[in-house]
Amino acid sequence: GNSVTQMEGPVTLSEEAFLTINCTYTATGYPSLFWYVQYPGEGLQLLLKATKADDKGSNKGFEATYRKETTSFHLEKGSVQVSDSAVYFCALSRDFGNEKLTFGTGTRLTIIP
Amino acid sequence: DTGVSQDPRHKITKRGQNVTFRCDPISEHNRLYWYRQTLGQGPEFLTYFQNEAQLEKSRLLSDRFSAERPKGSFSTLEIQRTEQGDSAMYLCASSVLRTSGTGKLFFGEGSRLTVL
Repeated sequence: GNSVTQMEGPVTLSEEAFLTINCTYTATGYPSLFWYVQYPGEGLQLLLKATKADDKGSNKGFEATYRKETTSFHLEKGSVQVSDSAVYFCALSRDFGNEKLTFGTGTRLTIIP
Repeated sequence: DTGVSQDPRHKITKRGQNVTFRCDPISEHNRLYWYRQTLGQGPEFLTYFQNEAQLEKSRLLSDRFSAERPKGSFSTLEIQRTEQGDSAMYLCASSVLRTSGTGKLFFGEGSRLTVL
């Protein structure tokens, strides 16, 4: 079946540090890949996505590249801010036409000033 | 845009009792999803609706669970004869049909169920 594996958290970084959150997936065919973010006191929201191999999704300074050969979709940001403190979820979808997503376990990120 | 709202935000109940959660999606969204999130896990898909039609149910949704969306607006998720294993955060999300397949879901903050 489909599955998503994320690096264990929590992750604590200093402001302006480089961020990588690893995500690998198992799925047949060509899933779409997503990163969702949950800020404190809010619902999950879509951060970025990629729908085919070698696509790069980007938003708010975050990037992730769909790597078919390594089945990975690592999230990166060059310089994190305190406001990036949140829980980040990697997810995939094998269904075209709906939002039935398979999520990873989430990685809690804390940025200290 | 008032966002997706869920009620109640937290429910504590005794094993064997019935509970019902309500979700109000964003007003123009015709698709509505329920997910469940247990401690330390990511959200897991339960079921989804397009307007009032329930299009798919996960095998996770046992016979004790029932979801409805009677007029294609708000939805309810009822759990009968609750068990301790039902303790989780129940998440509702909505989307519009024209963006289907893009992963663009709008989530509520969830309803946390604690079964004693």
